[in-house]
Amino acid sequence: DAGITQSPRHKVTETGTPVTLRCHQTENHRYMYWYRQDPGHGLRLIHYSYGVKDTDKGEVSDGYSVSRSKTEDFLLTLESATSSQTSVYFCAISSGFGASTDTQYFGPGTRLTVL
Amino acid sequence: AQKVTQAQTEISVVEKEDVTLDCVYETRDTTYYLFWYKQPPSGELVFLIRRNSFDEQNEISGRYSWNFQKSTSSFNFTITASQVVDSAVYFCAPTKAAGNKLTFGGGTRVLVKP
Repeated sequence: DAGITQSPRHKVTETGTPVTLRCHQTENHRYMYWYRQDPGHGLRLIHYSYGVKDTDKGEVSDGYSVSRSKTEDFLLTLESATSSQTSVYFCAISSGFGASTDTQYFGPGTRLTVL
Repeated sequence: AQKVTQAQTEISVVEKEDVTLDCVYETRDTTYYLFWYKQPPSGELVFLIRRNSFDEQNEISGRYSWNFQKSTSSFNFTITASQVVDSAVYFCAPTKAAGNKLTFGGGTRVLVKP
């Protein structure tokens, strides 16, 4: 199994509070991703990173920011959480060696509830 | 625009029956890659297989096999002799080369009854 951890695994917070989720990898992979999973929507990409300090938006990036100061850590921040951000958040990594062989591996997920 | 469709929302079978899952990927790209992931009731996402659009051979790996029809952009994934542990939601997720960003289908829930 790929070495990916997410913290916290569960969090309950209130509307308007800031929240930061952490993804940590031990594989030294170049690419890291944040997805959210909601019933009826499958998984949707929020942001991704293709290297330290290099990030880009996904299809549902509004209300989220990310940072990557080290290869192994990718942080997802909700500046002011809203109830619509209640979801399960998955981090993924891939080596970036080339699309013909590359595969994304997922972390265990973080269940976030915004009251 | 790219679109990935898993038309089957739920499939129920009895153990040892074969299960075939459908995925259609509408795109103008001539080169792309398609992944299948399994999400068991415990919630984690498990990588199963990947397929390149330029591979013409259909493949088998253990109890899993997949069939690609380029003319219809249809990827079928088959579980042979299903087992109760195969009960899960199965997602197909295509991607273009750049950045490996995945677009997930809505998933197909498979229930294998003993």
